[in-house]
Amino acid sequence: SAVISQKPSRDICQRGTSLTIQCQVDSQVTMMFWYRQQPGQSLTLIATANQGSEATYESGFVIDKFPISRPNLTFSTLTVSNMSPEDSSIYLCSADIGQRNTDTQYFGPGTRLTVL
Amino acid sequence: SQKIEQNSEALNIQEGKTATLTCNYTNYSPAYLQWYRQDPGRGPVFLLLIRENEKEKRKERLKVTFDTTLKQSLFHITASQPADSATYLCALGMDSNYQLIWGAGTKLIIKP
Repeated sequence: SAVISQKPSRDICQRGTSLTIQCQVDSQVTMMFWYRQQPGQSLTLIATANQGSEATYESGFVIDKFPISRPNLTFSTLTVSNMSPEDSSIYLCSADIGQRNTDTQYFGPGTRLTVL
Repeated sequence: SQKIEQNSEALNIQEGKTATLTCNYTNYSPAYLQWYRQDPGRGPVFLLLIRENEKEKRKERLKVTFDTTLKQSLFHITASQPADSATYLCALGMDSNYQLIWGAGTKLIIKP
């Protein structure tokens, strides 16, 4: 297993500003993921972040809006840029720490973002 | 179209009884299926994985079945306790493309 921490745990932001969320893993991992989750809804994958390469974004998400950094094997950041109230959500990072061919993911506690 | 479905309504179970949650999917051929638990304000926590060639998997009071013909997984909690109250998510894995396809989860409430 692994311990994954996220900062900040929550924030209230003004429209038009940007927020960077940090995700720290206590062990080296290849794959990290960023998700968004609305209350009562499924997890929506934003992007997959590999160390040393550009993040891979899912349909509906673009790098200009959600730039991601992955400077090493234990850390990643997600920036929510030029925020609007529609960006209010819980943002979760996860890491694939499972055995080969299992893709078990371990999650951080999430960042609750409110945009006014 | 592809979709994965879990009971959207909360499931209320009396303490001590067995809770059974359902995960149905269409137009997927998963290599395995995972179940996670999510508490309010927390990220999901991995519970069990079952592969396509396995019928059943157990872990303490938890049991998962996987029927690839019915395209369904059942998740059972025996001797349920109020501490089992949480939202349970199923996720399909497509043979190591590193992504999981998530259901919306079922909220389980165990009443004392």
